[in-house]
Amino acid sequence: SQTIHQWPATLVQPVGSPLSLECTVEGTSNPNLYWYRQAAGRGLQLLFYSVGIGQISSEVPQNLSASRPQDRQFILSSKKLLLSDSGFYLCAWSADTGSWGYTFGSGTRLTVV
Amino acid sequence: RKEVEQDPGPFNVPEGATVAFNCTYSNSASQSFFWYRQDCRKEPKLLMSVYSSGNEDGRFTAQLNRASQYISLLIRDSKLSDSATYLCVVNPYPFSGGYNKLIFGAGTRLAVHP
Repeated sequence: SQTIHQWPATLVQPVGSPLSLECTVEGTSNPNLYWYRQAAGRGLQLLFYSVGIGQISSEVPQNLSASRPQDRQFILSSKKLLLSDSGFYLCAWSADTGSWGYTFGSGTRLTVV
Repeated sequence: RKEVEQDPGPFNVPEGATVAFNCTYSNSASQSFFWYRQDCRKEPKLLMSVYSSGNEDGRFTAQLNRASQYISLLIRDSKLSDSATYLCVVNPYPFSGGYNKLIFGAGTRLAVHP
């Protein structure tokens, strides 16, 4: 069966520090991968999606970047965090066939102080 | 107009009540529809897909009305454990075999009380 792992679960980082969040998927190949952010009490905002290795599409201009160095690995990064980067970051995967919904990782709660 | 719109709630209902959530979507070409459940400070989890003919899973019934572009979720005999935020989710793109981008509503909060 397919599983998705995301870490760390919680993170407290000072303003201006770098960020690296990692997400890996097991039990499937060539998944579509996604990074979402959810601000406190708000809906899900799609940040990046990837349909293959090295293929990254950005949905909103921001202080963050994403990379997909391997088929089942998706990384979210920032060189310098802002206070506004605080939130709940969720990685998700889906099959590339389009009809089966997403499965989310357990999320990383980031607080920038 | 938002691509997916939901009443944010909260819906406060007693145990045993029946509660219904509605959701509207703007893209008439949308192909796939889902309801997700998100518990406080947790990731969203797929509750059920929504099929054109309507579908039921235990106490949960989902309906799709393509003509009016809305989706509904009915929960019967509410339990305390049903308290969560329910997200309406739409795939607005025709099936293409290579891309799958879902649009999430902001969610409807349900609080079931004793």
